[in-house]
Amino acid sequence: QKEVEQNSGPLSVPEGAIASLNCTYSDRGSQSFFWYRQYSGKSPELIMFIYSNGDKEDGRFTAQLNKASQYVSLLIRDSQPSDSATYLCAVSAGGTSYGKLTFGQGTILTVHP
Amino acid sequence: NAGVTQTPKFQVLKTGQSMTLQCAQDMNHNSMYWYRQDPGMGLRLIYYSASEGTTDKGEVPNGYNVSRLNKREFSLRLESAAPSQTSVYFCASSERTTTNQPQHFGDGTRLSIL
Repeated sequence: QKEVEQNSGPLSVPEGAIASLNCTYSDRGSQSFFWYRQYSGKSPELIMFIYSNGDKEDGRFTAQLNKASQYVSLLIRDSQPSDSATYLCAVSAGGTSYGKLTFGQGTILTVHP
Repeated sequence: NAGVTQTPKFQVLKTGQSMTLQCAQDMNHNSMYWYRQDPGMGLRLIYYSASEGTTDKGEVPNGYNVSRLNKREFSLRLESAAPSQTSVYFCASSERTTTNQPQHFGDGTRLSIL
């Protein structure tokens, strides 16, 4: 059973701080890693994806991947109240299984003014 | 700029009734997926279609059937609804299952089985 684990939170940070969201996965063959943001009552929205070890930056978001430790994280700099949402980590195995995503249970992030 | 469109948005059924959830995408994607999301849980894959004419089981297929009607449309059918199938159902699409391209989601169908 392939597993993706996230701390369900809630994670509470003050406005302007860095929010750090973490995800671990059990399948060493995993190839692709995605972070989705989901506002309450809405659908998941892709915010970042990463395939290679290291960091990938996009605006205020940085995804970090360490395949040796089977760990992927998302950093949100200068957190805003509008960043308050559930963040879902998703992992795929690659090959013909790129489309078969396994999701973590999500981390609830609250950014307070 | 519709992306992935799901109908209906809300539905209430009685135990034993049947219904079909509809999904259509206008991004010319080859692959389509059906997920369910229960409170406090991530999304779980029910069925997927790697390309037109093919369908495969995901993590939780029991109690569901699917049809890939054409490249644009992928439907999910509950033949005899059960209270355990109360959930939010999301359809998604991606370029194809053999690439790293991310999935794009519809707005979801909120289904209650009484």
